[in-house]
Amino acid sequence: EPEVTQTPSHQVTQMGQEVILRCVPISNHLYFYWYRQILGQKVEFLVSFYNNEISEKSEIFDDQFSVERPDGSNFTLKIRSTKLEDSAMYFCASSERDITHNEQFFGPGTRLTVL
Amino acid sequence: EDQVTQSPEALRLQEGESSSLNCSYTVSGLRGLFWYRQDPGKGPEFLFTLYSAGEEKEKERLKATLTKKESFLHITAPKPEDSATYLCAVHADQTGANNLFFGTGTRLTVIP
Repeated sequence: EPEVTQTPSHQVTQMGQEVILRCVPISNHLYFYWYRQILGQKVEFLVSFYNNEISEKSEIFDDQFSVERPDGSNFTLKIRSTKLEDSAMYFCASSERDITHNEQFFGPGTRLTVL
Repeated sequence: EDQVTQSPEALRLQEGESSSLNCSYTVSGLRGLFWYRQDPGKGPEFLFTLYSAGEEKEKERLKATLTKKESFLHITAPKPEDSATYLCAVHADQTGANNLFFGTGTRLTVIP
């Protein structure tokens, strides 16, 4: 069964460093998303991406964040200068079409720890 | 005010003891209500989507229902492997065109 994959599973970084989280969405999916979940809190939407551009973003997704689809399979989230409060699980998700009648499938997550 | 509220926060059941989890929502223009299961350290796993009041969906021991204000996830004769956090999420005009707004989840523990 096709699935969303994410690498690395765990990333430890120093405050102020740049990190890139990688995702491979399901191959025939056209919509891509990043969510985050701070330990013990709810899953929060960051950004959605379609047709090589951001279609929607939340207040959390400020200028420190960027997304890219560098090739036909990868989807990346870059945090330019990490802060302590960026420590969280980051989930990539994809859907075949927009989510009005299509479910989002989530990857296993990358645990980001900022020291 | 939270747009999606799940209750209870945690639930312990004996194996075979049926129960229900609640997800109430206050968003306007509901387009879909999603149920996910999340195991510790893992990503949410899709269970159901409900689109209109009165709709019901079933999968093994799980049954999801939807009204105009809330959704229930009924668990019939649960087994220890049903232990997980169950997340409810909404897609609505109010929450954005193409993203999900999640509740905090119900942590279910099924004791053998």
